[in-house]
Amino acid sequence: SYVLTQPPSVSVAPGQTARIACGGNNIGSKTVHWYQQKPGQAPVLVVYDDSDRPSGIPERFSGSNSGNTATLTISRVEAGDEADFYCQVWDSSTDHQVFGGGTKLTVL
Amino acid sequence: QVQLVESGGGVVQPGRSLRLACAASGFTFSDNGMHWVRQAPGKGLEWLAVLWSEGSNIFYADSVKGRFTISRDNSKNTLYLQMNSLRAEDTAVYYCAREYGSGTLDYWGQGTLVTVSS
Repeated sequence: SYVLTQPPSVSVAPGQTARIACGGNNIGSKTVHWYQQKPGQAPVLVVYDDSDRPSGIPERFSGSNSGNTATLTISRVEAGDEADFYCQVWDSSTDHQVFGGGTKLTVL
Repeated sequence: QVQLVESGGGVVQPGRSLRLACAASGFTFSDNGMHWVRQAPGKGLEWLAVLWSEGSNIFYADSVKGRFTISRDNSKNTLYLQMNSLRAEDTAVYYCAREYGSGTLDYWGQGTLVTVSS
């Protein structure tokens, strides 16, 4: 089965740029989506189709996908961005959704 | 606006059954595939099942295949998850989510907690 690998944690100072990686075998050939989950809340879609943003999501959130790594980039990080972030793809070989293990973003 | 509201969670003994429901509103329910995703305490997201809009294609994660059944009633705008032979490791918050396309889960419910314990 397809596996997505994320770093357990990423720390960044306010105003800096956070980059959260999502690794997978030839993930660049797949479509990647990203979700933000704050404590006690449901996940929220922040980037879909590798790099598109749903309405209401700040432009500070962006995504890219190439080779074996997809990346969620959060520019000008704010304290309110602190959350767990999950990458996700649809594995067409099994017709299963696959989530990464999640990355906890800490704003220092 | 799109709303998904789960219900049916609670405490259940190992080996027993439980049925979760997800009431949808704010969109044409029959047009979208629907998913169930769960999250064990302190853990990450785990996809469980999908039922496409036409109702003919259903897929399950290996961890629940044969024990859980996803279904929908488009006349009631409701998605269901029948969970049988529950185990302690099934303890989690269960979310329903709408599929936007290409696997995107664009709206999620608030979740319902299932605790499997004797």
